[in-house]
Amino acid sequence: DTGVSQDPRHKITKRGQNVTFRCDPISEHNRLYWYRQTLGQGPEFLTYFQNEAQLEKSRLLSDRFSAERPKGSFSTLEIQRTEQGDSAMYLCASTPTGGKLFFGSGTQLSVL
Amino acid sequence: ILNVEQSPQSLHVQEGDSTNFTCSFPSSNFYALHWYRWETAKSPEALFVMTLNGDEKKKGRISATLNTKEGYSYLYIKGSQPEDSATYLCAFPTDSWGKLQFGAGTQVVVTP
Repeated sequence: DTGVSQDPRHKITKRGQNVTFRCDPISEHNRLYWYRQTLGQGPEFLTYFQNEAQLEKSRLLSDRFSAERPKGSFSTLEIQRTEQGDSAMYLCASTPTGGKLFFGSGTQLSVL
Repeated sequence: ILNVEQSPQSLHVQEGDSTNFTCSFPSSNFYALHWYRWETAKSPEALFVMTLNGDEKKKGRISATLNTKEGYSYLYIKGSQPEDSATYLCAFPTDSWGKLQFGAGTQVVVTP
């Protein structure tokens, strides 16, 4: 399968812990996006990369969130000192040109 | 803030019936309009990317129309089947890099 893969699929953590998610995009795709989706809402933009450069980070994101894409391949999203409000589905997507997005299955985060 | 609105929020359809629902978006600075289908426990999947006013796209029993002047798109499902049950998301690029603003989605449930 050469689609976008995300790991883990599910993560349960206690409030205050740090968590890290990984996304492996389709190999020839230059652009990589992170979105967050909560119940009843559409996916909300978090950040995106063109190769290894992080182009924009949502103003809605606190400093507890950080993302990297070393060497322009896989990406990681880290949340430090998790809060219950961070509970959501975290989606990664990639695209070669900025057209249609190819999504992973997401990481469902539950903060207890 | 550019808003994408979808209605209705949810829809129950009998198998074999046809249905349609709406996405409205800002008509200024239009780049494109995306439709995605998101089935439970799967990845969101692109259905259509539409760029031209009056454009009409079709994929099997699903079709979409676009009116960029008035800022709306319709998605139609003809002869609904249980496998059409999903959340249908529309999205609007807010910049030339393809960063998408999503609507909250229309959840479609097709009952046999």
